[in-house]
Amino acid sequence: AQSVTQLGSHVSVSEGALVLLRCNYSSSVPPYLFWYVQYPNQGLQLLLKYTSAATLVKGINGFEAEFKKSETSFHLTKPSAHMSDAAEYFCAVSEPNTGNQFYFGTGTSLTVIP
Amino acid sequence: DADVTQTPRNRITKTGKRIMLECSQTKGHDRMYWYRQDPGLGLRLIYYSFDVKDINKGEISDGYSVSRQAQAKFSLSLESAIPNQTALYFCATSDLKVDGYTFGSGTRLTVV
Repeated sequence: AQSVTQLGSHVSVSEGALVLLRCNYSSSVPPYLFWYVQYPNQGLQLLLKYTSAATLVKGINGFEAEFKKSETSFHLTKPSAHMSDAAEYFCAVSEPNTGNQFYFGTGTSLTVIP
Repeated sequence: DADVTQTPRNRITKTGKRIMLECSQTKGHDRMYWYRQDPGLGLRLIYYSFDVKDINKGEISDGYSVSRQAQAKFSLSLESAIPNQTALYFCATSDLKVDGYTFGSGTRLTVV
């Protein structure tokens, strides 16, 4: 079965600092990869997705992620954290041969320190 | 109006009671899903449906049942609620394209 690992359930960064949220997956076939963000008391919102096009994917709110097949990783980055980035972030993987069913990581809570 | 609407938003119920959570969508998607979210565990799939006549169990279906009343409606039932079913429940939809899921705003269920 597919698995998704998010290293670090809690990450704190200073405002203006680099944001790096890690995601590794296990898949025997090239997967589709996603990052979702959940703000307090809200549902999940798609940040960005990788579906076998360019390996560096740009999303909303200045976030981007790079698919590295050799490392089975899809880490999320943002050059400069903003207070409004404080939220829960989920990495998700979908395998084409499973009907595109999603598998989610356990989430990383991002705190931005002023 | 939201693309995926969940009702109720919050619910407190007693142990042993039957409760239904409802989900409706205006996306026109064939695929619908129910997840529960627990702190530290992420989202876990309860049930999913790829069309009106298709219902499939997810990884944690015990204690739950679903009904796909129409393409746009997918309800989740707890036949006899228990306290460890206290969680945040999300409905999601998708289509055959790899566009990701569209999530509802969630239902916070507390079983006392």
